Amino acid sequence: EVQLLESGGGLVQPGGSLRLSCAVSGFTFTSSGMSWVRQAPGKGLQWVSGISGSGGDTFYADSVKGRFTISRDNSKNTLYLQINSLRVDDTAMYYCAKDNGWLPASWGQGTLVTVSS
Amino acid sequence: EIVLTQSPGTLSLSPGERATLSCRASQSVSNNYLAWYQQKCGQAPRLLIYDASTRATGIADRFSGSGSGTDFTLTISSLEPEDFAVYYCQNYGTLPRPFGQGTKVEIK
Repeated sequence: EVQLLESGGGLVQPGGSLRLSCAVSGFTFTSSGMSWVRQAPGKGLQWVSGISGSGGDTFYADSVKGRFTISRDNSKNTLYLQINSLRVDDTAMYYCAKDNGWLPASWGQGTLVTVSS
Repeated sequence: EIVLTQSPGTLSLSPGERATLSCRASQSVSNNYLAWYQQKCGQAPRLLIYDASTRATGIADRFSGSGSGTDFTLTISSLEPEDFAVYYCQNYGTLPRPFGQGTKVEIK
């Protein structure tokens, strides 16, 4: 069974940083691209970032480019999202997802990031 | 950049009724890389349909997807109580893998 468990969210001041983690099990991690998708409170879904199975290719939404960094440690079956220069409008639930090709097919339960002074 | 527009914003129906949800793309969706997700309150999204018309594993056959090019439809043939939720479409074949704004299916 595919399992994804996000962690690392919390309350942070504007301008601060966080590193989100997503620990996975139940599939061959190195063979799967992965994505981060976020959802602001009461709003819709926004794809944020993706990474290939090897980690060699990374992709970002324009709104986070230069501030967010996606990475993975295939020896630890863990996906990361480093978030810097946090803004109030980055407040959201952040979901990691296992991609089938380009499709976010299986999702974790999310970790909440709140940016507030 | 492709923009996906879902309609209606809210659909008020009774259990047993048929639900028809629309997703319109601003440009043609290549390879029909169009997915539908269901999200219940407080839960993560769940994949229902991919490649416009293929049901994901374990999805009931009352859910069906159709369409191509710029116009796509999710149909729920007979609503069950657990189907009242928000539904999103996504074009996953092109960056930035946009989602539609969602359609809420609520109990009438």
